[in-house]
Amino acid sequence: AQSVTQLDSQVPVFEEAPVELRCNYSSSVSVYLFWYVQYPNQGLQLLLKYLSGSTLVKGINGFEAEFNKSQTSFHLRKPSVHISDTAEYFCAVSDHGNKLVFGAGTILRVKS
Amino acid sequence: NAGVTQTPKFQVLKTGQSMTLQCAQDMNHEYMSWYRQDPGMGLRLIHYSVGAGITDQGEVPNGYNVSRSTTEDFPLRLLSAAPSQTSVYFCASTFLRDRGGVFFGQGTRLTVV
Repeated sequence: AQSVTQLDSQVPVFEEAPVELRCNYSSSVSVYLFWYVQYPNQGLQLLLKYLSGSTLVKGINGFEAEFNKSQTSFHLRKPSVHISDTAEYFCAVSDHGNKLVFGAGTILRVKS
Repeated sequence: NAGVTQTPKFQVLKTGQSMTLQCAQDMNHEYMSWYRQDPGMGLRLIHYSVGAGITDQGEVPNGYNVSRSTTEDFPLRLLSAAPSQTSVYFCASTFLRDRGGVFFGQGTRLTVV
């Protein structure tokens, strides 16, 4: 069975500061990894994904994530956050790319 | 191209009532699924379908029924609503051979009183 652990339920950060949202996964097979973002009262939007190849993945809105197989991690980073990045972020894992298992989510609060 | 459309957006039910949450997609996706989102628990898979006439259970299927008579539609039925089914429900879809994740609808917020 697959599982995802998002290590922080909330991350407060000041505007223009860097941020890292942590995600660890467990799986007995090769995986595909995803980060989704959910703005208040909206659906989930795909931020970025790792399918294969380069372990550093770049996504929308200046976010990037690094796949680390030995540490079974897929942490999300942004070098400088904006107020508009305030949202909930979900890490997800799948062995097929469609049946996703999600973490509990991390709320990113950007303060001015 | 509307993507994944869910109706209604909000619903209040009394305990024991039944209802159907609608989901439609216009992208000709074979794969469709239903998740529920609860605070601190992320999204959990309820049911999914890999094509018309084919459905299967996810992680939390109890209390829910689905059917898939067409490629476009994947309704979720609550047979006898319970307060524990108060949640936000999301429908998602993708091509079966697409490994790049799923596309989500805007959600249905359901309250059972």
